Amino acid sequence: QQQVKQSPQSLIVQKGGISIINCAYENTAFDYFPWYQQFPGKGPALLIAIRPDVSEKKEGRFTISFNKSAKQFSLHIMDSQPGDSATYFCAASREAVKGGKLIFGQGTELSVKP
Amino acid sequence: DGGITQSPKYLFRKEGQNVTLSCEQNLNHDAMYWYRQDPGQGLRLIYYSQIVNDFQKGDIAEGYSVSREKKESFPLTVTSAQKNPTAFYLCASSIAFSTGFFTYEQYFGPGTRLTVT
Repeated sequence: QQQVKQSPQSLIVQKGGISIINCAYENTAFDYFPWYQQFPGKGPALLIAIRPDVSEKKEGRFTISFNKSAKQFSLHIMDSQPGDSATYFCAASREAVKGGKLIFGQGTELSVKP
Repeated sequence: DGGITQSPKYLFRKEGQNVTLSCEQNLNHDAMYWYRQDPGQGLRLIYYSQIVNDFQKGDIAEGYSVSREKKESFPLTVTSAQKNPTAFYLCASSIAFSTGFFTYEQYFGPGTRLTVT
């Protein structure tokens, strides 16, 4: 119930294409869903986050789509660029619970080809 | 420049030896965390600390120990009891631990890659 399952494990996209990474969760009490971006040799950094009161959140070329009934959320990267090549992690937590910890997905290694 | 420093970037140890990984932050954050990253497994929480002189076990604490004697420092010791210590270790901090109303962003250090042979 505490797991977050992320797919695909790796993804190759042509420059200008759309990158889509999916995550699924079981615990319906999760209410905070961030995405982290990690470049090689660096620590992850928060990219964008969503809460269940909205079904979509967009920041620039990055969009989170959230489907509460299916217990799934996804990251869409529009007009993908070689600079987007990184590992992406989804995560979930119970924000309404004091001390709720982030549960991370397995990660997706994205490679954007020029 | 505010941030999180982890040293060294690469660390090599012989099996059976304890090793301590350093984590320092100058962000004035109360909460600090240690994660382990393995290929295909994401980030798994080892220990976390909400405040100085306090820390709790995460999901995979066996074979690890921590201390939090200063707000800015949260060293992690990988003991010889850790069965598979070779991994990438990430330290993170946030303004505060989750309050039950809001989740504060976690800021990560650059990581330490530990190899035990």
